[in-house]
Amino acid sequence: RKEVEQDPGPFNVPEGATVAFNCTYSNSASQSFFWYRQDCRKEPKLLMSVYSSGNEDGRFTAQLNRASQYISLLIRDSKLSDSATYLCVVDGGSQGNLIFGKGTKLSVKP
Amino acid sequence: EPEVTQTPSHQVTQMGQEVILRCVPISNHLYFYWYRQILGQKVEFLVSFYNNEISEKSEIFDDQFSVERPDGSNFTLKIRSTKLEDSAMYFCASRFDSGFVNGYTFGSGTRLTVV
Repeated sequence: RKEVEQDPGPFNVPEGATVAFNCTYSNSASQSFFWYRQDCRKEPKLLMSVYSSGNEDGRFTAQLNRASQYISLLIRDSKLSDSATYLCVVDGGSQGNLIFGKGTKLSVKP
Repeated sequence: EPEVTQTPSHQVTQMGQEVILRCVPISNHLYFYWYRQILGQKVEFLVSFYNNEISEKSEIFDDQFSVERPDGSNFTLKIRSTKLEDSAMYFCASRFDSGFVNGYTFGSGTRLTVV
């Protein structure tokens, strides 16, 4: 069974804090990796893809370790608007289906 | 920005009734998906659809479920005889090509409540 496991939440942090999320996946054949953001009762929205070399998009940095089957997301200088659930997602196979983790809820407080 | 449109946004139905959830994918997209999310749970893959046929389905997608692309525009999910445990958010998604997934767009979902 293909699974994605994430840190249990919630993470409650003050504005300006740095917060890190971790994720492991079980399917060693997965080739594509993502972090999605989901606001309450809304659809998942792509935050960023994750590449083997690591990648950064503004305050967000994602890392991938294929050997350990581990993915991380670092958010620096967190904003109130970063409050959401962060979903670790990997591809499930050739037909393009995605496997989602349960998500980690982040709450950024003033 | 092009978007995937789902209707209705909320549907309440009695147990045992049939429901049809509707989706209009982005017009030049070729791959279509349905996912569901039970309240408080993770998003789960149901089915993928390409070239007018199901390309993959999960164990959740049993004989009670079916999908159709009747007119080249709409993409529907039918649940024949709803059960209480079918209550969930149902998300439609589409993407353009066989590569991944920067072009993978989710609709805003239909909240199905079975009573």
